[in-house]
Amino acid sequence: DAKTTQPPSMDCAEGRAANLPCNHSTISGNEYVYWYRQIHSQGPQYIIHGLKNNETNEMASLIITEDRKSSTLILPHATLRDTAVYYCIVRVPNSGYSTLTFGKGTMLLVSP
Amino acid sequence: GAVVSQHPSWVICKSGTSVKIECRSLDFQATTMFWYRQFPKQSLMLMATSNEGSKATYEQGVEKDKFLINHASLTLSTLTVTSAHPEDSSFYICSASLVGSSGELFFGEGSRLTVL
Repeated sequence: DAKTTQPPSMDCAEGRAANLPCNHSTISGNEYVYWYRQIHSQGPQYIIHGLKNNETNEMASLIITEDRKSSTLILPHATLRDTAVYYCIVRVPNSGYSTLTFGKGTMLLVSP
Repeated sequence: GAVVSQHPSWVICKSGTSVKIECRSLDFQATTMFWYRQFPKQSLMLMATSNEGSKATYEQGVEKDKFLINHASLTLSTLTVTSAHPEDSSFYICSASLVGSSGELFFGEGSRLTVL
């Protein structure tokens, strides 16, 4: 799996958009970008994933650059409950070794 | 999304005893489940891959005789920490993938083990 680089921490005001960047400059053509988050003392939660097109679901939007070397997770209206560690992971889906390798992630702190 | 449940959510045990943690996929069948361990302020570290009906595959540095994994059915995998010691105190998390999905994994709530 390709390595990713994320800022260790970010702050965001409640109600504002949170934009979490991720660099994955060595991503290969068949690797997807996945985002997970982990709220304190809970298991990770799947957020969104994509290959090259921008994606949106009820939780967030994922913007992938045209060269696919970086991406941004957008939480459009952050709430206090969005405070968590956010992990960006790139991998080939359903490959023979299908688990995820977690980096250190970004600790997002949403403040009132 | 698919639901993965772990039990117990927390357990305290004495040094030298064994502890079993269960991981269940509630609304789907999981041929493969994964067990992670997370120490305070650290990221998740993969311990082993559990395949239904076969022996688990352990990551380097993880003692297979200490961390016994059984995946006897398509909805249940268990992790037994044998002869637990204080250094085994950690947050243990399981995950499973949904067959035919786009590769996203679903995680259990985690089980916090404290060994006294």
